[in-house]
Order: sequence, then structure tokens, then C-alpha cells
Amino acid sequence: EPEVTQTPSHQVTQMGQEVILRCVPISNHLYFYWYRQILGQKVEFLVSFYNNEISEKSEIFDDQFSVERPDGSNFTLKIRSTKLEDSAMYFCASSEASGMVEDEQFFGPGTRLTVL
Amino acid sequence: QQQVKQSPQSLIVQKGGISIINCAYENTAFDYFPWYQQFPGKGPALLIAIRPDVSEKKEGRFTISFNKSAKQFSLHIMDSQPGDSATYFCAASIDSGAGSYQLTFGKGTKLSVIP
Repeated sequence: EPEVTQTPSHQVTQMGQEVILRCVPISNHLYFYWYRQILGQKVEFLVSFYNNEISEKSEIFDDQFSVERPDGSNFTLKIRSTKLEDSAMYFCASSEASGMVEDEQFFGPGTRLTVL
Repeated sequence: QQQVKQSPQSLIVQKGGISIINCAYENTAFDYFPWYQQFPGKGPALLIAIRPDVSEKKEGRFTISFNKSAKQFSLHIMDSQPGDSATYFCAASIDSGAGSYQLTFGKGTKLSVIP
């Protein structure tokens, strides 16, 4: 069964460093998302991406964050200068091309980011 | 306004019992309500979803009950099994027709089904 994959599973970085989280969405999906979950808190939407541009973003997704689809398979989230409060589990998700709200968002297993 | 409130935070149920998880929302623009199930080390996976034009949806042992006037919805797991032990998230989205749809999640309920 196709699945969303994410690498690395765990990333430890120093405050102020740049990190890139990588995702490989399901191959025929065209809508891509990033969510994050701070430990003990709810899963929060960060950004959605379609047709090589951002569709929606939350207030969390400030200038420190960027997303990119550098090739036909990868979808990346970059945090330019990490802060302690960026420590969280980051989930990538993708959904099919029909563009309906009922389209299931398939989530990857997450990347745990720890900022020291 | 955009919040979805979920309770309880954790739930312990005997095998064969009924698990009930409740959610409430404020934003009346929400019109799609999925439930996600998450096992340790995995991402959330869609379990069942409902639109507000129906009051109940059942899929196997899982039922969503929806009360539009109260702005509440709940997940019922009948004949709960140890394999149902997981974290359950309610969520909500707005059918804006935009093509991409951000999910607003509740805080999650950790369900433990004991033999």
C-alpha cells in the first residue's frame, strides 16, 4: 500500500541552525501539507501546497519557514533559524488530485525535531 | 473560534465495552468532521468522517454521532478491542472549494482497552 515517508525520523539541532525536513508524498497525490505537534499538544496545521505554490498557511508559518518541491517526488520544509519552541513532531501529509474536502489526507510517520 | 475541544484526554475501557470520545466546536463554518487514529510511531490515519447534514454515520464498530445545534460530535467504538488502543483525534475542516483543506485538530484522546 502506498504511504507517505519522512526523513529523518529524528533530528537534533542547535538553536539558530537551519534544518530541512523531507517528505516523499504518495506518487499520484497533488496536495501536500505540513502539520506539527508540540509534545502534549494538538496537531496544528502549518501550510498546504499545490501546483508549486502555497495554498494556505497558518500564523505559525512565518518567514522562518519555507516549503519546496525540488523535484517530482520530494516535498521539503525548511526552518531557517531554529528556536527552542520549534521542537515538535512534524508531519507531512498528501491527498489526491480531486480537490474535495473528503479527500483523505495521508500522513507520514513524522520527524521529531529537537532544538537544543 | 477555530478550536476543536476534545475530551476526555485519556480513556480506559474493558474489552468488549463501548468507548466514547466527545468533541465540540465553535466555528459554524466547519462542515467536514473526520476522526483520525494514531498508533505509536505512526502518523494519524483517517478512521471515519461525517458531514453535518447527517446525524450519524456508522462503519463497522465505529460510529460518529453529530449534533449540529449543539455543535458537538462524538466517536463511539462498540465492542472495543485491545487492538483499538491508540490515540484518537477529532478534526474539522471547511469545504471552501479551494482544493486544499487545513484540518483543525482536537488535542487527542489516548484510549487503552484492557483485556
